[in-house]
Formats: sequence, C-alpha cells, structure tokens
Amino acid sequence: DTAVSQTPKYLVTQMGNDKSIKCEQNLGHDTMYWYKQDSKKFLKIMFSYNNKELIINETVPNRFSPKSPDKAHLNLHINSLELGDSAVYFCASSSESSGNTIYFGEGSWLTVV
Amino acid sequence: GESVGLHLPTLSVQEGDNSIINCAYSNSASDYFIWYKQESGKGPQFIIDIRSNMDKRQGQRVTVLLNKTVKHLSLQIAATQPGDSAVYFCAEKRGSYIPTFGRGTSLIVHP
Repeated sequence: DTAVSQTPKYLVTQMGNDKSIKCEQNLGHDTMYWYKQDSKKFLKIMFSYNNKELIINETVPNRFSPKSPDKAHLNLHINSLELGDSAVYFCASSSESSGNTIYFGEGSWLTVV
Repeated sequence: GESVGLHLPTLSVQEGDNSIINCAYSNSASDYFIWYKQESGKGPQFIIDIRSNMDKRQGQRVTVLLNKTVKHLSLQIAATQPGDSAVYFCAEKRGSYIPTFGRGTSLIVHP
C-alpha cells in the first residue's frame, strides 16, 4: 500500500483556472506538508500542518490554500492559476514517533498553459 | 538566513566506483541532517540521517560524514551502481522546525 498518495499525478490546465491536488497518508502521521519542486529540482516548503497548527511559508501566494478534512488528508487548492505555478508538487508527512523522517508522495506534475 | 547548498550540481561516476556527494550548511544550530534520493519521476526517499552529536553513520553501502567545524556534510556511496543514478538532497533540521532542503546533486552512473 502506498504510504503517501496524491492525485492527480499529471494535470494540465489553462491559466486562470482553479484546481485541487489531493493527498492522503496511511502512516498515522500527525504532520503533513506540501512542497513545490521547480525545474531545477529545488524543493521549497509551502505548508506544514498538523492538528494544532498551520505553518505557511510567507512567500507562497495566497492563491494557494491547504485544506485538511482530517488528520490523514491535506489537499492543496490553487486559485487563478498562473504560468509560473507549473511545477511538481509533493505531499509529505512525518511524525515525532517516526523520528521526524519525512515521507514523500510520488508527486503531481502541474502544467499551466 | 539559513541555507543548505551543494558543491556540485552534477556528479558523473563509473559503475563500481565510490561516489561522494557534498553538502554545506550555514546554520550551526542544526541538530539533525538527512539525505534523500529522488529517482526520475518519483518523490524523494529517505536514505540515511545523522544527528549533530555524531560524526559518522553507516548504512548499507552508504556512509554519511558530518564535520560540524566547517559545517559540511557528505554522502558516500560504495561501489556505485546504475540504480544509484538519481538526484540526492541533503536536508538540515533544527529542533522542531521544518527541514530545509538543499538544491540537489544529480548523480549519473556510467556502465
């Protein structure tokens, strides 16, 4: 079973659209994350969330918003998509009981045209 | 601000050779360091970690060395195989803060 799963894996959409990427983890972790990876492979943290606190990277535009219906899910909503939003988005999770190792999903390739 | 960087963006080695991937960090307060491997089309996967109270840690074919004096971290891969071809990231962590990832080094293994 996939520990951290995210859908869709590929998404091509037009500028101005609103889209969502879903993420689920079955590891029982209490913290989930969203990372953005650009074309040069740089991994940038966007959000960190557990049942107590949402930490937002202040450089992330407010068009991006995380939504957590429960502890095992952290979805990423993006409004008014722009060309520069094209990237690979990784969901991840961790917990103190797992030694704080971050487990990543397989990534969602977003292309804005 | 803090930064985690890599000396070489691309490293090419011959199959069977040993590989050394380097990483520099700037935050002397970091107490936990992690190496990740990202294969093409996949997410980063944990390889090995080391705490700041250690200088060396060994895994299966991999060794991580930590030099706190010069704030340098390295990942050594013994007898590199084609399956080791990937992008390798170092990450640093301080207390309960979110880990910060470096830029990544692309390791290319030639048969």
